[in-house]
Amino acid sequence: DGGITQSPKYLFRKEGQNVTLSCEQNLNHDAMYWYRQDPGQGLRLIYYSQIVNDFQKGDIAEGYSVSREKKESFPLTVTSAQKNPTAFYLCASSPQGTNLATNEKLFFGSGTQLSVL
Amino acid sequence: AQTVTQSQPEMSVQEAETVTLSCTYDTSESDYYLFWYKQPPSRQMILVIRQEAYKQQNATENRFSVNFQKAAKSFSLKISDSQLGDAAMYFCAYRSAFSTASKLTFGTGTRLQVTL
Repeated sequence: DGGITQSPKYLFRKEGQNVTLSCEQNLNHDAMYWYRQDPGQGLRLIYYSQIVNDFQKGDIAEGYSVSREKKESFPLTVTSAQKNPTAFYLCASSPQGTNLATNEKLFFGSGTQLSVL
Repeated sequence: AQTVTQSQPEMSVQEAETVTLSCTYDTSESDYYLFWYKQPPSRQMILVIRQEAYKQQNATENRFSVNFQKAAKSFSLKISDSQLGDAAMYFCAYRSAFSTASKLTFGTGTRLQVTL
């Protein structure tokens, strides 16, 4: 089955600790995204990558870092600089290209709930 | 920057009835895509319906349809013959047609309750 796998489902962070959220896709999509969801708010874009070894900041990138060493993988690190990391994190992917009709749909993973101890 | 506004934090509908969820957006762009996503208690994001701004015809997917008013920048979702499985958070989202990336701007969501 093709899809996006996020792990772990639940994650706890101690003060001053960096934690990494995993996101893997086997859809052969070029583009991958990280969104953050807080209660009562919609999803906000943290980072996105359209090609291996390249990524761009989204609307709320401060306190986060990413890497894209492989097409299938786009891990997100929540650093100690992120003072309010408790949230639900969603990874997504989409096809890439100039044909907008083919890349207009996002495929989402099942999310990781991050909480602070 | 684009913004998406959902002014109804919660809505309720009886089973088999029809409900309309509101969404307005602000943009200076001439071409874009609009989406409705459903997020059930499992928290999985599910695409319900999408509308291309250059298409005047309103999109329809089975019991789901939209009322797209481009001049008013309004994009409401109508759910007909509501079912218990429709209970979820619904998010309206905007995507520029001028980007090769599917970066979406989301509204704050509407929680839909379906009662017997």
